[in-house]
Amino acid sequence: AQSVTQLDSHVSVSEGTPVLLRCNYSSSYSPSLFWYVQHPNKGLQLLLKYTSAATLVKGINGFEAEFKKSETSFHLTKPSAHMSDAAEYFCVVSGSSGGYNKLIFGAGTRLAVHP
Amino acid sequence: NAGVTQTPKFRILKIGQSMTLQCAQDMNHNYMYWYRQDPGMGLKLIYYSVGAGITDKGEVPNGYNVSRSTTEDFPLRLELAAPSQTSVYFCASSFPTRPEAFFGQGTRLTVV
Repeated sequence: AQSVTQLDSHVSVSEGTPVLLRCNYSSSYSPSLFWYVQHPNKGLQLLLKYTSAATLVKGINGFEAEFKKSETSFHLTKPSAHMSDAAEYFCVVSGSSGGYNKLIFGAGTRLAVHP
Repeated sequence: NAGVTQTPKFRILKIGQSMTLQCAQDMNHNYMYWYRQDPGMGLKLIYYSVGAGITDKGEVPNGYNVSRSTTEDFPLRLELAAPSQTSVYFCASSFPTRPEAFFGQGTRLTVV
């Protein structure tokens, strides 16, 4: 069975400081992993994806994530936070199951960015 | 370049009423999904469809029904609305060969 654990429900940073959102996954085979971002009262936007190519994945708006199989982690980072990064972030694992692309969502991490 | 379009954006229902949440995609995706999002719970799959005429239950299907008569449309029907169905509903779509899904803007439903 697949599962995703986002280790922090809330993260608060100051503008201009690094961002680290932590995600651990469980999968019986090599998974596809994603980070989605949800701004207030908006839909979910794909930030980046890992699909068994390069382990360091670059996404939009300066975010990147590193797939570490030995640690079963897929943490999201950004060198310098911007006020517009304040949002909810979801780590997602995907696997084909029963004929469809099954997405398993973490509970989400709410990122607050302070001036 | 619409992507996935959901209507309405907001709705208040009284207990026992019914309604249909509309979802349409223009990306020719075979797979479509309905999720609900509850605070602190991530997203849970309600129903999914792998093509026109084919639907199946997800994790939390009780109280909902779907149909898929065309590739583009995937409406979600709520019969006999209950307060437990107060949530934000997201429709999504994807290609079979690509795992990432594209989401609509969501429908915020309150049942009072």
